Amino acid sequence: AQSVTQLGSHVSVSEGALVLLRCNYSSSVPPYLFWYVQYPNQGLQLLLKYTTGATLVKGINGFEAEFKKSETSFHLTKPSAHMSDAAEYFCAVSSLSGAQKLVFGQGTRLTINP
Amino acid sequence: DSGVTQTPKHLITATGQRVTLRCSPRSGDLSVYWYQQSLDQGLQFLIQYYNGEERAKGNILERFSAQQFPDLHSELNLSSLELGDSALYFCASSVEIQGPNTIYFGEGSWLTVV
Repeated sequence: AQSVTQLGSHVSVSEGALVLLRCNYSSSVPPYLFWYVQYPNQGLQLLLKYTTGATLVKGINGFEAEFKKSETSFHLTKPSAHMSDAAEYFCAVSSLSGAQKLVFGQGTRLTINP
Repeated sequence: DSGVTQTPKHLITATGQRVTLRCSPRSGDLSVYWYQQSLDQGLQFLIQYYNGEERAKGNILERFSAQQFPDLHSELNLSSLELGDSALYFCASSVEIQGPNTIYFGEGSWLTVV
């Protein structure tokens, strides 16, 4: 079975500060890892994904994440927060084996302070 | 706009009633997924269809059922509704059944059971 733990249900940073959202996963098979963002009253939008190859993955809106197998982590970062980054962020895991269903973490609500 | 269309966007109904949520996947996508998002359970995978056939089941209640039609649109039927069924129901689609294809989400259908 696969699972995802997002550390911190709420994260608050100042505009221009580093954004770090933490995600740890559990998977008995090589994982595929995803970060999705949900803006208020909207659906989920894919930020980035890791499948194989380069462990540092760059996504949209200046976000990136690094897959660390030894730490079973896939933390999301952005060097400089913008007010428009305020949203809920979800880390998810799936795998090649079986159907590609996503298992999501509980989400982290990111607040940006002016 | 992800290209996944869900109707209705909002629905209020009484306990014991039955509702149908409809989803049109992105053009060319054969796989359709249904997810439930609630405050206490988070984002939960319900069921997946691929080209009209059920491929994977998650935490879907027996009172709930789904199907995918020949034109690839899908419907999620929720019956004998309870207060706890109030949630945001997402439909998502992808091209193929196996990963690591990107899964695109619709904006969801808000269901309120009163």
